[in-house]
Amino acid sequence: AQSVSQHNHHVILSEAASLELGCNYSYGGTVNLFWYVQYPGQHLQLLLKYFSGDPLVKGIKGFEAEFIKSKFSFNLRKPSVQWSDTAEYFCAVHDMRFGAGTRLTVKP
Amino acid sequence: GAVVSQHPSWVICKSGTSVKIECRSLDFQATTMFWYRQFPKQSLMLMATSNEGSKATYEQGVEKDKFLINHASLTLSTLTVTSAHPEDSSFYICSANRDFNEKLFFGSGTQLSVL
Repeated sequence: AQSVSQHNHHVILSEAASLELGCNYSYGGTVNLFWYVQYPGQHLQLLLKYFSGDPLVKGIKGFEAEFIKSKFSFNLRKPSVQWSDTAEYFCAVHDMRFGAGTRLTVKP
Repeated sequence: GAVVSQHPSWVICKSGTSVKIECRSLDFQATTMFWYRQFPKQSLMLMATSNEGSKATYEQGVEKDKFLINHASLTLSTLTVTSAHPEDSSFYICSANRDFNEKLFFGSGTQLSVL
């Protein structure tokens, strides 16, 4: 069955640590991929998206993601996290099938 | 985990008719439900936020008379697209959370096609 998996349920980091959140999908063919963020008390905000072209996608607030077709992955990365990055992160594919989300807690 | 059920998943209707989409939280009481719309090859766009027992809060540019939202109970919110036209054809998805600061859970979405 088609699905989106986020393996990390809750990630806790200290400020300035590097971040990588995993996202795997089980779709065949062409996919469009998204990462959204939900800050506490807010609705979704788009971080970045991939449709085609360069598999390394840069988004807002220093986030980037790499589409690796052979691994069916679209992992989210940030070299140095900040306390304000504390939020819930969702990976989604083109039909808006969402992963379960990963909670990121950044300790000051 | 928490489940949000959205129905129907796919609907085709004639221009001028109304379509109702339901969003149910199956195993939790949803304080707030959100309705989003997605155009092809674009990201989600928040349409409105609904709280049980009160009027929905619509985002700027969203016609509240066109997109009627009713949050009748803590487990059910409905979006009615009134007098639908082809430009209303889109993918609609709802989400809900238990509490203001908690994570969102998503419905599976509804693809609306207006002929």
